[in-house]
This record gives sequence, structure tokens and C-alpha cells, in this order.
Amino acid sequence: KNEVEQSPQNLTAQEGEFITINCSYSVGISALHWLQQHPGGGIVSLFMLSSGKKKHGRLIATINIQEKHSSLHITASHPRDSAVYICAVSPAMNYGGSQGNLIFGKGTKLSVKP
Amino acid sequence: GAVVSQHPSRVICKSGTSVKIECRSLDFQATTMFWYRQFPKQSLMLMATSNEGSKATYEQGVEKDKFLINHASLTLSTLTVTSAHPEDSSFYICSARGRGQGVEAFFGQGTRLTVV
Repeated sequence: KNEVEQSPQNLTAQEGEFITINCSYSVGISALHWLQQHPGGGIVSLFMLSSGKKKHGRLIATINIQEKHSSLHITASHPRDSAVYICAVSPAMNYGGSQGNLIFGKGTKLSVKP
Repeated sequence: GAVVSQHPSRVICKSGTSVKIECRSLDFQATTMFWYRQFPKQSLMLMATSNEGSKATYEQGVEKDKFLINHASLTLSTLTVTSAHPEDSSFYICSARGRGQGVEAFFGQGTRLTVV
């Protein structure tokens, strides 16, 4: 079983729809990251959070530490949001996180149709 | 935010040759750099962690003699794939962390390596 699980693996939406991508993890963490990977491969960090909720434009990320679960929401989705969204965690020190490496989920491929 | 530049973005090489990938932190001192590899439809997998001025720490199953990592300065780390084979074809990406940045991740653009 992967330490970071994402769902769904693939998601197709119509422009304007509200989108939710989920992430569950099984290790103790110091932070959780949501990343965006475009077809060319480059990765952009969207959020880093360790509690509560963060909002940036149409993107909202929430985390529930007790349940080891995070969600990424996109409001009023647009074709330019089409990308792979990756959840990654920074493991806590007692889970081998002393160096600051990340453990990645497999990603959710989002396609937003016009 | 902090900028990490990775070069080249794409490279095609012949079997048996070596390829060097550079990762530079442009506006901060990267005390730690991470090298990841991503196969199609798979997660990014950590290959090695390098701290400036010291030898890289490789993950289990990653051949240190094949994937040479150098982190000689606080702004530059290089990954050299030696004697490349077609099975080394993959997407390689670096990530950098500086002092006082906690666990925040700054990624390079990635390098698509194709070995023919």
C-alpha cells in the first residue's frame, strides 16, 4: 500500500464545474503539499499546509491531521486547469523526514473540457 | 517564490554515453537538493539527497556509480547518468531547499531523458 493515496486517478470535468481531489496518507507528517504538473513535466508548488485551510484564487486546500486526509478544490474550473495534480507529504522526523524529502502520490490527471 | 532552474529540459542520447543534468537555485542558497525520477504514470521517486559539500545519500536500489551526483556549491547540483541505457529513459527532476525554508519544496522544470 502506498503511503500517499490520491483519488480519483483521472477526472474529466466541464468548464465551470467544482472539482475535488482527495489525498490520504498513512505516515506522520510535518507538512502536506499540493503540486501541479503540466504536460511538459515541470512542477509548480500550489500549497504547503500543516493544518486548516488555504486559499489562492480559485484553489482551496484543506487538511484534517487527525484523519490524515487532505482535499484540493478548484472552483469555476477552466480548461487551463488541465494538468496532473500531485499530493505529497513531508514525513515527520520519526518517519524518516530528517532530510526534508517528499513522498508523492501518483497524481490525479484532470481534464477540463470547454 | 524561490526559483530553481534545471537544464536541459529534454535530451536524447545514444546508449553507452553519459548525460549531465544541472539544477541551479537562482535566488537562494540550496543547502539540500533532491533528485527524483518519474516513470510514466508513476509517482516521483526519490533517487538521492545531496547536501552541499558532502557526498550524496542514495535511496535503496539506486546505483551510485551510475547516477553521479555532485553538489559542489550552494547554488548548483548536477546529476550525471553514466553509460546510459534505454531503461534509464525517464523524467528526472530536482528539488531544492535552503536554510530557513523549512520543508517547502522548490522544483526545477525537469529533464526528459531518452536513451536510444
